[in-house]
This record gives sequence, structure tokens and C-alpha cells, in this order.
Amino acid sequence: QKEVEQDPGPLSVPEGAIVSLNCTYSNSAFQYFMWYRQYSRKGPELLMYTYSSGNKEDGRFTAQVDKSSKYISLFIRDSQPSDSATYLCAMSVLGAQKLVFGQGTRLTINP
Amino acid sequence: SAVISQKPSRDICQRGTSLTIQCQVDSQVTMMFWYRQQPGQSLTLIATANQGSEATYESGFVIDKFPISRPNLTFSTLTVSNMSPEDSSIYLCSVVGRAGDGYTFGSGTRLTVV
Repeated sequence: QKEVEQDPGPLSVPEGAIVSLNCTYSNSAFQYFMWYRQYSRKGPELLMYTYSSGNKEDGRFTAQVDKSSKYISLFIRDSQPSDSATYLCAMSVLGAQKLVFGQGTRLTINP
Repeated sequence: SAVISQKPSRDICQRGTSLTIQCQVDSQVTMMFWYRQQPGQSLTLIATANQGSEATYESGFVIDKFPISRPNLTFSTLTVSNMSPEDSSIYLCSVVGRAGDGYTFGSGTRLTVV
């Protein structure tokens, strides 16, 4: 079993839809949770960075962490074609620096 | 957040040769990380590069194959040695920002071994 599981998709939705991306994990020691967006032929770009359980909102993006269920989500509201990319969840253990990534979900927003 | 310049952005190399990838950061950072992203796959940590000490390698990665240098707090290199087609991947360097900034990645080096 992988430490971090993420549905690779692909996921295709119409413009304006609400998108939900999810990851589950098995290591209860993970404390820091991140979501990255990666456009084709580019490096990952940090979207959201959260610590422990709860919600964090930034514009159209909301990150949600449920440590009791070992489950994290990223919601994208009013999705735009420019949001089309691969979204990667990543997490790390407090005090350690290694990031463990999910497989990434390829998302396409159709105009 | 830190700005990372990574070179080369892409290369096509012959089997058996070596390629050195450079990573330059615009600020001093303690730890730099090297990741590999194989085609259609997620990122896997190769090693952590600490200034003034030997790099720490993850399981499955060895220094002879992926030697790393870290001469100062803003620069690191990763060499992919004795390349085979299985080494064709994107190689990325990353640094940890200030608290709350998360990890920043370079734009990556797309390596194709023929």
C-alpha cells in the first residue's frame, strides 16, 4: 500500500463547475499537507499549505484536512480553463523534511 | 518564496554518459532536495543535499549513480551517471521556504536517454 493515494483521473469538468480533488494517506505522523499544481512541462507550483486538521481558503481554492479519517481535499470553485493541470497532494511529517507525493490528478476544465 | 533557477531545462543524452544538473536559489537555504518524476508518475525524493555534509539518499538511490554537490547555501548540482534509457525522467530541485511558505520547486530538467 502506498503511503499516499490519489486518484490519477483524468477528470474532465465544464467551466464554472466545482472540482473536488482528494487524497488518502496511511501515515498518521503526517502533519503538513500541501497541494501543488503542475502545468505541462513545468515544475510543481504550491497552491495550498496547511498544518493539521481544518479548512483553509485562498480565493477560489479551499483545502480541507481530516486527520481522523486520513483524508485531504482540495476544492476549486468557479473552475476556469486555466485551472487545467495536474494537481498533486503532498505531505510531510513534523520535524522531517521529506515530502511524500500522491500520484497526481490530471484535471481538464472544458470551456 | 524562493526563486529557483534550474539548468539545463532539457537534454537528450547518449546511453553511458553523465549529465550534471544545476540548481541556483536566490536566497540562502539550509536544505535542498532533488526529486525525480518519471513519465506519468508522481515525484520521488532522490536525496537531501545539506551544505557542508554528505547528501542523504533515499532507499533505491545511491551516491555512485546520483552524486550531489552542495558547495554553498544557494547552489547544488545533481549528476546522473552512466545513464540508461530508464533514467529518462524529469529531475527537479526543491527548497523549503520560511515557515508557512511550503516547498518551492524549480522548473525541472527533462532528460531523455537514447
